Formats: sequence, structure tokens, C-alpha cells
Amino acid sequence: DTEVTQTPKHLVMGMTNKKSLKCEQHMGHRAMYWYKQKAKKPPELMFVYSYEKLSINESVPSRFSPECPNSSLLNLHLHALQPEDSALYLCASSQEPQRGAEKLFFGSGTQLSVL
Amino acid sequence: DAKTTQPTSMDCAEGRAANLPCNHSTISGNEYVYWYRQIHSQGPQYIIHGLKNNETNEMASLIITEDRKSSTLILPHATLRDTAVYYCIVRALFGTGTRLTVIP
Repeated sequence: DTEVTQTPKHLVMGMTNKKSLKCEQHMGHRAMYWYKQKAKKPPELMFVYSYEKLSINESVPSRFSPECPNSSLLNLHLHALQPEDSALYLCASSQEPQRGAEKLFFGSGTQLSVL
Repeated sequence: DAKTTQPTSMDCAEGRAANLPCNHSTISGNEYVYWYRQIHSQGPQYIIHGLKNNETNEMASLIITEDRKSSTLILPHATLRDTAVYYCIVRALFGTGTRLTVIP
């Protein structure tokens, strides 16, 4: 199994809603990543988990709350989002969290629309 | 953090080689350069990676300069299905991306 699975594929939410994005991999990878991608822009790194601990937070607003319950699962909890948070959210994993040597495996993303 | 820059767009005739450059002048000695492509807002797909030496696989070749400050991805015989946005990545940080259009 070389897949990273993201659910849901599409999500529409209001600014007062609370929702969660889910990411799962069964490759035994020990690092997992969240990226945000606006239209026609490159993905921007948000968070990195190494061995289930948050190792990198790229100054992401607190309305985005990551969680890594176990080595196979990564969640992104969303609360009080703004319309400008509408984007494609990509999850990735890599075998080892060594910075600079990450061969990333990407999911197909969740397209989020905030109304 | 590593900063990588790429041309915004390139065209290539079908069947010809596509050469896509990337500037990664702040790369450190033990950091790899990875190349991915993305089609229609799907998840990025791995193409190739390298550290110092040139690399080749069934999809592409990667040429890395001796000072490691830049690299070039080569698609030897571009097809219409190679039309995509190509990214070089260092330290899990994406470059600016090149939109490659393969023209029939």
C-alpha cells in the first residue's frame, strides 16, 4: 500500500462551523505533513509531525489545529475559518523525518470552501 | 529556509526534450533536490531526486550543478500527458513552479 488517503475530497463550511480533515497512510512512515495550496500557487507547508510529535508549525493561525493520534493518522481541525482559507489542503508522508531527505508521498487533497 | 525559484511557464513541442531549471542557491550540503509534478490540482507526483550526482530514471533525468545551487529536470521526449506544473522541492518547501505546456 503506497497510498495516502485524504477525506473528505470536498468540504464546504460556514465561518462558524467546526470541521476536520483526515489523512491516513499505512506505509509505516514516521513523518506527516499538512500543506495549503491556493489556486495557481505552490503548496505552502503548514505543519510537520515527526514520530507523532509536532516538529514544525509554519506560523499557522490557531484556527487550524493539527492532531496526530497515531503514526498512521493525521487530522486537521478547523474552527472559525475565514473565506480566504478556502484552498486545497494536501497531506503528505515520508519514511523518516530527516529534514532535507524527505521523499514525500501526497494524498489527492481536500478542496475546502469557506462561505 | 531554502528558497527555490523556477520560471513561471515554458512550452515544449511534443517529442522534444523539455528542460526545466530550478534555482536553489540556499541549499545546504546534505539536502536533496526533489522534483514533482501536479496535474489539475491533484496531489503532486514524485518524479526524481538527487543530492550531488546526476540521476536518471524511467521518467526523467536530473542534472545538478557542481556547486549544487541549481538543477535541471529533463523530460527526454515530452508527450501531451506531460503538460503539468513542475515543482522542485528542498527541505519539504516547494519552489515557485513551472507550468509546462506540451504543444502538438
